[in-house]
Amino acid sequence: GAVVSQHPSWVICKSGTSVKIECRSLDFQATTMFWYRQFPKQSLMLMATSNEGSKATYEQGVEKDKFLINHASLTLSTLTVTSAHPEDSSFYICSARTSGGIQETQYFGPGTRLLVL
Amino acid sequence: EDKVVQSPLSLVVHEGDTVTLNCSYEVTNFRSLLWYKQEKKAPTFLFMLTSSGIEKKSGRLSSILDKKELFSILNITATQTGDSAVYLCALEGGGNQFYFGTGTSLTVIP
Repeated sequence: GAVVSQHPSWVICKSGTSVKIECRSLDFQATTMFWYRQFPKQSLMLMATSNEGSKATYEQGVEKDKFLINHASLTLSTLTVTSAHPEDSSFYICSARTSGGIQETQYFGPGTRLLVL
Repeated sequence: EDKVVQSPLSLVVHEGDTVTLNCSYEVTNFRSLLWYKQEKKAPTFLFMLTSSGIEKKSGRLSSILDKKELFSILNITATQTGDSAVYLCALEGGGNQFYFGTGTSLTVIP
């Protein structure tokens, strides 16, 4: 079945550095990928919608210059947390939506845990 | 291989009906099982289950986990049109990784 991977699974970095997280759809093409951030008590916040070949659509309150999203191909979207600070420490999850077919389905990645020291 | 399978894929019911959504899983290191409701944007957290046999309840929604048979169910009684959504089951495994099912699409018609 369809699989979405994220890399890395864990990342620990110093404050002020930038971190790149990759989201790949392994056996299907995804014209649309989504990036979420998990907050305490398991709630997920949609950060942005990433469309292949075009600029990402950011949700209100999400700084696009801080969270850079690049959807370079139909199987890869990247989220770069620029100049990371401790408050950016969180669990970031991506999902990819299949295109075409009878029913569109969204597949979630396993998540990336970011800890900024 | 850790995985989550939800059934049915899609469900259409009339208002007032009761529905049961299923989530079966395989995991190496179980930490918790979570249910989410996804309407338009981000999934909304519903329940987190860690122990077998203890029902969690919130209004018309309830959920229970069976760690021996490796499944969970989400029940919705007296369904309303506002319950129409995709319901996602997610497993938190070792290493804080999440494994989401593909969801059950529920449509409640008046």
